[in-house]
Amino acid sequence: DTAVSQTPKYLVTQMGNDKSIKCEQNLGHDTMYWYKQDSKKFLKIMFSYNNKELIINETVPNRFSPKSPDKAHLNLHINSLELGDSAVYFCASSQGRQGRTEAFFGQGTRLTVV
Amino acid sequence: GQQVMQIPQYQHVQEGEDFTTYCNSSTTLSNIQWYKQRPGGHPVFLIQLVKSGEVKKQKRLTFQFGEAKKNSSLHITATQTTDVGTYFCAGPHRGQNFVFGPGTRLSVLP
Repeated sequence: DTAVSQTPKYLVTQMGNDKSIKCEQNLGHDTMYWYKQDSKKFLKIMFSYNNKELIINETVPNRFSPKSPDKAHLNLHINSLELGDSAVYFCASSQGRQGRTEAFFGQGTRLTVV
Repeated sequence: GQQVMQIPQYQHVQEGEDFTTYCNSSTTLSNIQWYKQRPGGHPVFLIQLVKSGEVKKQKRLTFQFGEAKKNSSLHITATQTTDVGTYFCAGPHRGQNFVFGPGTRLSVLP
């Protein structure tokens, strides 16, 4: 049983489109995250969501918006996709804020914008 | 702002050689975590260090947290091809989210 699952695994789309990536965790964790990993493998946090508190990395464009229907899900919606959005997006979860306990990552979604 | 740096960026070793990656922070860290990402995979948690001067071992892996809690290291003894991947350290940013270092990409030649 996968602890943190993301769908889709691959996503190819045209510039200007709107897309969503779904994430679900079955670990009972109360904090979820979205990370972006670029071609140089840099892992940058985009959002964390804990008990309805959203913490946004100030460098993330407002075209990106997380949506959490419940504690087990944190979806990522992206408007007006740009070429520079191409990357691997990882969802993760932890119990409490990351740093006190380990983070579990999903398998990643490779987004390619053409 | 707080930054977490890692060196080297890349390391190529012959199987059986030792490997060390270093993580340095511009500010004191309350704790630090290490993750490994295999090629094509996702980051997987290895360990967390909390105490000043702490040393932890996992089989051939030895993790250290500096006395000043501003640096850390991961040492692998007698590397194997299964050690291939990118090793990330991560430290707290503004007391909340974790900032990942740029990673050290390890190649092991058989």
